[in-house]
Amino acid sequence: GESVGLHLPTLSVQEGDNSIINCAYSNSASDYFIWYKQESGKGPQFIIDIRSNMDKRQGQRVTVLLNKTVKHLSLQIAATQPGDSAVYFCAEISGGSYIPTFGRGTSLIVHP
Amino acid sequence: KAGVTQTPRYLIKTRGQQVTLSCSPISGHRSVSWYQQTPGQGLQFLFEYFSETQRNKGNFPGRFSGRQFSNSRSEMNVSTLELGDSALYLCASSSGKGGETQYFGPGTRLLVL
Repeated sequence: GESVGLHLPTLSVQEGDNSIINCAYSNSASDYFIWYKQESGKGPQFIIDIRSNMDKRQGQRVTVLLNKTVKHLSLQIAATQPGDSAVYFCAEISGGSYIPTFGRGTSLIVHP
Repeated sequence: KAGVTQTPRYLIKTRGQQVTLSCSPISGHRSVSWYQQTPGQGLQFLFEYFSETQRNKGNFPGRFSGRQFSNSRSEMNVSTLELGDSALYLCASSSGKGGETQYFGPGTRLLVL
């Protein structure tokens, strides 16, 4: 049969705006979370991570927020630039597991 | 420190052929995982190798296999290629300890005609 395409959620922003990408994770036992950025034709690139004993972590222009109560993760990108255009994946790892579970991804489009 | 490298970057094969892809992990990393990425199915886990042993396996048919060498380099093989095997194959390395970040290579783009 014909396969169903994976239609990614898309976020379109103007250059200079702040972007917020959301991710709902599935396993309440997950204790480590990672955000990846994947540009067209490239492999996923590590951006930032956070462990479950924290609810916020900041990097350069990026902030990850973790809400364990509602199993929600978000990535905030400040002053978004055209080079930030990519697909962003969240990943969760539980209890010492070796293999992360990846979210479906969100496509970020930044308009100059 | 050099990142994860994969060879070749692009491949074109025909149905029924087999293919071998190679991955060199980050120096010091002992775990190598393989993923298949397609527009229709997203990122799907194939298998993970640690210390030359397959430690975890995804839900793929036996046509997909892999191995890891003593220097942690890994290969994956797909036999009897099907059109649906066309995908980006990604390799990721990590220290091998639980709950640690995986770092991805650039991928091998396989097209099956």
